[in-house]
Amino acid sequence: TQLLEQSPQFLSIQEGENLTVYCNSSSVFSSLQWYRQEPGEGPVLLVTVVTGGEVKKLKRLTFQFGDARKDSSLHITAAQPGDTGLYLCAGAYRSNDYKLSFGAGTTVTVRA
Amino acid sequence: GAGVSQSPSNKVTEKGKDVELRCDPISGHTALYWYRQSLGQGLEFLIYFQGNSAPDKSGLPSDRFSAERTGGSVSTLTIQRTQQEDSAVYLCATRAGGGTEAFFGQGTRLTVV
Repeated sequence: TQLLEQSPQFLSIQEGENLTVYCNSSSVFSSLQWYRQEPGEGPVLLVTVVTGGEVKKLKRLTFQFGDARKDSSLHITAAQPGDTGLYLCAGAYRSNDYKLSFGAGTTVTVRA
Repeated sequence: GAGVSQSPSNKVTEKGKDVELRCDPISGHTALYWYRQSLGQGLEFLIYFQGNSAPDKSGLPSDRFSAERTGGSVSTLTIQRTQQEDSAVYLCATRAGGGTEAFFGQGTRLTVV
């Protein structure tokens, strides 16, 4: 069983502050994805990382994939109220025919 | 269609009734997932279809839950004898063969009263 653990579960910060969300697994991912979900909508893909040590930036969001491809982090700089949402990481495992396994998510609230 | 379409968007049913939830995938997407999301929670895997392979049903919580995918396209998730704990949002996602990104529908919000 491949489990993804996300931390923290909830995060509430003031506009302009930075935050980091973590995603960890005991298994090696073939690829890892971060999604954001807003109320009443399905999750939407933010980024896919596939190479150990890879760092990707999407405006104020920085995604890092661990060297061993077992963990990842999402860092938001100078958070804005529009960043509020549920952030989900999802791992694909080649041994499972690329079935996506999701973490429980981190609910981020950015207060104006 | 342009995206994954789920119907109905909302369903209220009485305890003990059967319900069917439908997912119309993006054309050509060979992989299809069903997930369940309780209020304020993450995604719970239910079932995974990939092409003509036998589906991975390891996430179905009980034998009251079943799903099929006809002709590799439309999928139906059926819940028999619904219980109040079945109340949740049921999300469908599809993925192109060889791709990694999953595209989600907006979900069906099921309320069992």
